[in-house]
Amino acid sequence: EAQVTQNPRYLITVTGKKLTVTCSQNMNHEYMSWYRQDPGLGLRQIYYSMNVEVTDKGDVPEGYKVSRKEKRNFPLILESPSPNQTSLYFCASSLYARPGGVGEAFFGQGTRLTVV
Amino acid sequence: QQQVKQSPQSLIVQKGGISIINCAYENTAFDYFPWYQQFPGKGPALLIAIRPDVSEKKEGRFTISFNKSAKQFSLHIMDSQPGDSATYFCAASIGWGAQKLVFGQGTRLTINP
Repeated sequence: EAQVTQNPRYLITVTGKKLTVTCSQNMNHEYMSWYRQDPGLGLRQIYYSMNVEVTDKGDVPEGYKVSRKEKRNFPLILESPSPNQTSLYFCASSLYARPGGVGEAFFGQGTRLTVV
Repeated sequence: QQQVKQSPQSLIVQKGGISIINCAYENTAFDYFPWYQQFPGKGPALLIAIRPDVSEKKEGRFTISFNKSAKQFSLHIMDSQPGDSATYFCAASIGWGAQKLVFGQGTRLTINP
């Protein structure tokens, strides 16, 4: 089954304790992204990756790190989490869309992070 | 600043009615406008999308209307059903891919039976 898998689904942590949220896709997609979803703000992109070893900042990258060492994996790292990073996080992957094609992002189930 | 503004935040419609959600954007470089549907506990999923070379796209009960001059687009759900109850997000991006989507704030739609 084609899917994007995130782990863990729920996480409660304390301020300053480093954490990693994993993301894996089995569709051989070039593009992967991380978004955070907050009430009233929709989804905002944190980082994206065009391919292995190619990453770039999204709209809200502060306090986050990513890496893309393999095509299928795109972990999100919070080196020193703070309470304002409490949010619902989504990983997404997409295929390169040819001109005239439909670009569809496939999202994982989400990770609800609480930083206390 | 919110590059894509969505309204209303919440919407209640009777079964069989028409649900309408509106979005406005500012960046004229946007050339791809998808709508995503999200059920509780799930990630968003692509519902329907449009490019600015057409003014309307219809897929089943779902229609996107696009007004390039006004920089607005909207989602119409005809014959709304309780199973349509979900959160809907409009989005916009530049280029052909979906790697850098800018989302609206979301609309929580409730269809009353």
